[in-house]
Amino acid sequence: QVQLVHSGAEVKRPGASVKVSCKASGYTFTDYYIHWVRQAPGQGLEWVGNIKPKSGSTLYAQKFQGRVTMTRDTSTSTVYMDLSSLRSEDTALYYCVREVPESYTFDYWGQGTLVTVSS
Amino acid sequence: QSVLTQPPSASGTPGQRVTISCSGTNSNIGVNIVHWYQQLPGTAPKLLIFRDDQRPSGVPDRFSGSKSGTSASLAISGLQSEDEADYYCAVWDNSLTSYVFGGATKVTVL
Repeated sequence: QVQLVHSGAEVKRPGASVKVSCKASGYTFTDYYIHWVRQAPGQGLEWVGNIKPKSGSTLYAQKFQGRVTMTRDTSTSTVYMDLSSLRSEDTALYYCVREVPESYTFDYWGQGTLVTVSS
Repeated sequence: QSVLTQPPSASGTPGQRVTISCSGTNSNIGVNIVHWYQQLPGTAPKLLIFRDDQRPSGVPDRFSGSKSGTSASLAISGLQSEDEADYYCAVWDNSLTSYVFGGATKVTVL
């Protein structure tokens, strides 16, 4: 069955960077885009960007451009999201999500990685 | 402030019908397909409706989606206690070149 397994929770100081991973299994990794969506405590969902595992091409929300980098390792079916210059507003649960091809339909969600930014 | 406007809350008694609206523009709902997600307390969101009005397998048929112009709606008929959750509409926005979510509607079963 499809699984998206996240790395563990992180606590970072303001200004630092964090790298979160998401390991996919149960399907052909290169056939599906992976997106990152975040949710601040008690808040709604916010799209961060996506990566095409086959080519490594990325698309980021304008808000995060310059601070976010998404990469993938096809040998381990893992995608990574690196977010830099962290501020307290980046405290959130970060989900990796699989997209049904060419539809922006998010059919599988990981359990999320909590990133806490605090001095 | 979300690009898609949803009411913050909706409620009903068991068995009632509840409708949640999602208002957008001609750069998102007016030209692209809409999805709905359900987030039960303490869990990750789950796909509820895709391609405006399609239900994934396993989603009860009391959930239905529709779209007209720049607005979409999610209806829950025969409301049940387990439907208490946050509901989000979502769509690609051509102007923002971004996927956007509505601001969530919290459904309470009275």
